[in-house]
Amino acid sequence: AQSVTQLGSHVSVSEGALVLLRCNYSSSVPPYLFWYVQYPNQGLQLLLKYTTGATLVKGINGFEAEFKKSETSFHLTKPSAHMSDAAEYFCAVSDPWGGTYKYIFGTGTRLKVLA
Amino acid sequence: ETGVTQTPRHLVMGMTNKKSLKCEQHLGHNAMYWYKQSAKKPLELMFVYNFKEQTENNSVPSRFSPECPNSSHLFLHLHTLQPEDSALYLCASSRSTSGSENEQFFGPGTRLTVL
Repeated sequence: AQSVTQLGSHVSVSEGALVLLRCNYSSSVPPYLFWYVQYPNQGLQLLLKYTTGATLVKGINGFEAEFKKSETSFHLTKPSAHMSDAAEYFCAVSDPWGGTYKYIFGTGTRLKVLA
Repeated sequence: ETGVTQTPRHLVMGMTNKKSLKCEQHLGHNAMYWYKQSAKKPLELMFVYNFKEQTENNSVPSRFSPECPNSSHLFLHLHTLQPEDSALYLCASSRSTSGSENEQFFGPGTRLTVL
């Protein structure tokens, strides 16, 4: 069965500092991996996704993530945090090869950006 | 309107009330989803419809009744809810439920409070 673990329910960084949000997954087959962001009182917005091909994926708002199969990780990074990055971030995994469309979501990481 | 819209955005109801949540997608997608988002819990998939047919009912209590009259509209009918049903209810859509076409686009959610 698939699962997603997001280490750290709350992360604080200073404005301009590196953002690193961790995501580890468990899957018996090559998964599809996603990062979503949720701003207060809004739905989830796709930041980036990994399906196949290049393991370093670039997304919107300067975020990127690297799929590391050996570490079963898909950590989200941004070189320099901005106040507007404060939000909740969700990692998700799906197994398209098994024919299932279900997303398995992590419990989320709330990012706080300090001035 | 673009993307996925949900109405109402906020709803307060008593345990004996009957109400409905509405979701509409303007993306030409064929699959639609209902999720429940509670504090400190992963997103819970409730129902999935593909080409208007229900393909998933994730052991949801019968006090939640979905309806999908066409591929663009999805409803969630609520009756005799419990206080623990208070949550953010998110609607999502995707091109289909298979393979690489299951990237999901989310609406802003309905914040439901059951008194």
